Amino acid sequence: GAVVSQHPSRVICKSGTSVKIECRSLDFQATTMFWYRQFPKQSLMLMATSNEGSKATYEQGVEKDKFLINHASLTLSTLTVTSAHPEDSSFYICSARAIPGTGGPSPHGYTFGSGTRLTVV
Amino acid sequence: GQSLEQPSEVTAVEGAIVQINCTYQTSGFYGLSWYQQHDGGAPTFLSYNALDGLEETGRFSSFLSRSDSYGYLLLQELQMKDSASYFCAVTMNTGFQKLVFGTGTRLLVSP
Repeated sequence: GAVVSQHPSRVICKSGTSVKIECRSLDFQATTMFWYRQFPKQSLMLMATSNEGSKATYEQGVEKDKFLINHASLTLSTLTVTSAHPEDSSFYICSARAIPGTGGPSPHGYTFGSGTRLTVV
Repeated sequence: GQSLEQPSEVTAVEGAIVQINCTYQTSGFYGLSWYQQHDGGAPTFLSYNALDGLEETGRFSSFLSRSDSYGYLLLQELQMKDSASYFCAVTMNTGFQKLVFGTGTRLLVSP
């Protein structure tokens, strides 16, 4: 089945530093990737949508200069949390939609990475 | 804005049947999905409805009424391993068909 590999699974960083999270579709091409953030006991909140070769589309209230998204190829998207602060500590999850005919994931087209637990100290 | 409301918590015993409701108000709509998430894990796809009616997948069934902006997930023959959070999610028919999640329901199954 379709797999999305997300790394790292867990990261601890110091306040003020930057952290990069990678999301890679392993056996299909992803035209679109989505980045979510989830605080404990809360829902998944969509942060941004990234498309290969174009600028990401950010949801209202999400700082584009703080959460840099790059979708360099049809199989790789990265999220960089810049100048991280303790309030950025959260669970970050990516999701990918397949290009039809390239080996789609779940029946309606989305596959999730395993998530990254970010702790900023 | 988008709004997908679910009950915050549901409790049931092993072997029972439980229904988790979802009411939504979104600016676009392709279909309604359901995901399961265990603590610390990624969401796992359970079911999807694009049209009105019931979809059955093993012990899980999902229902959609587009006219009522309402759906539910039905879990039968509950097992302890079903204890998890369940989210409904709307696939938007705008932009990049993004997936917007509901508030989530924590299901606790007891012996």
